[in-house]
Amino acid sequence: GAVVSQHPSRVICKSGTSVKIECRSLDFQATTMFWYRQFPKQSLMLMATSNEGSKATYEQGVEKDKFLINHASLTLSTLTVTSAHPEDSSFYICSARGLASGRGGEQFFGPGTRLTVL
Amino acid sequence: GQQVMQIPQYQHVQEGEDFTTYCNSSTTLSNIQWYKQRPGGHPVFLIQLVKSGEVKKQKRLTFQFGEAKKNSSLHITATQTTDVGTYFCAGGQGAQKLVFGQGTRLTINP
Repeated sequence: GAVVSQHPSRVICKSGTSVKIECRSLDFQATTMFWYRQFPKQSLMLMATSNEGSKATYEQGVEKDKFLINHASLTLSTLTVTSAHPEDSSFYICSARGLASGRGGEQFFGPGTRLTVL
Repeated sequence: GQQVMQIPQYQHVQEGEDFTTYCNSSTTLSNIQWYKQRPGGHPVFLIQLVKSGEVKKQKRLTFQFGEAKKNSSLHITATQTTDVGTYFCAGGQGAQKLVFGQGTRLTINP
């Protein structure tokens, strides 16, 4: 149980284009989803927290107009990187937490999406 | 803001040796979680500690949460090659989010 999928797993795009990444909880309802960014051999940096049906809460320094997050249902959240540039190239990982985990409880991570912007 | 420091950044051991990674928070935590990320993979939840002074064991892994709820450690006894990966601690402050430490990358000589 507690499986989270992410699509696509890998994407290469040209500078200036927008990329949408989907995060799905497959066998549980995710009341909260988190989006992280991870540079090679570094830690996970939280970008934003999203609760189903409400606006995402962005961390300091993360541009909400550049990284659009939508959490339209209890099983799906999307991250859209708008007008991507080479410096946006990174590993984007989502995680989800369900009701059973409780507030502050364990997060289940997706496999990540490797974004390369040329 | 809240910071979680983790040391060491890297650790290389011979198979069979013990391994420990340490985590310190700048503020008191409501809970601490530990995750393992294999090379090329994603973080996988290992455990959550909530109580002051709590100690939990999972086979060869021992997790501790400090009395002041500001530090934690993960100790692996008699490492095996399957233990290879990066171990992250993540601190929670009662809010929804976790703040991850920098991680300790463990490599093992068979």
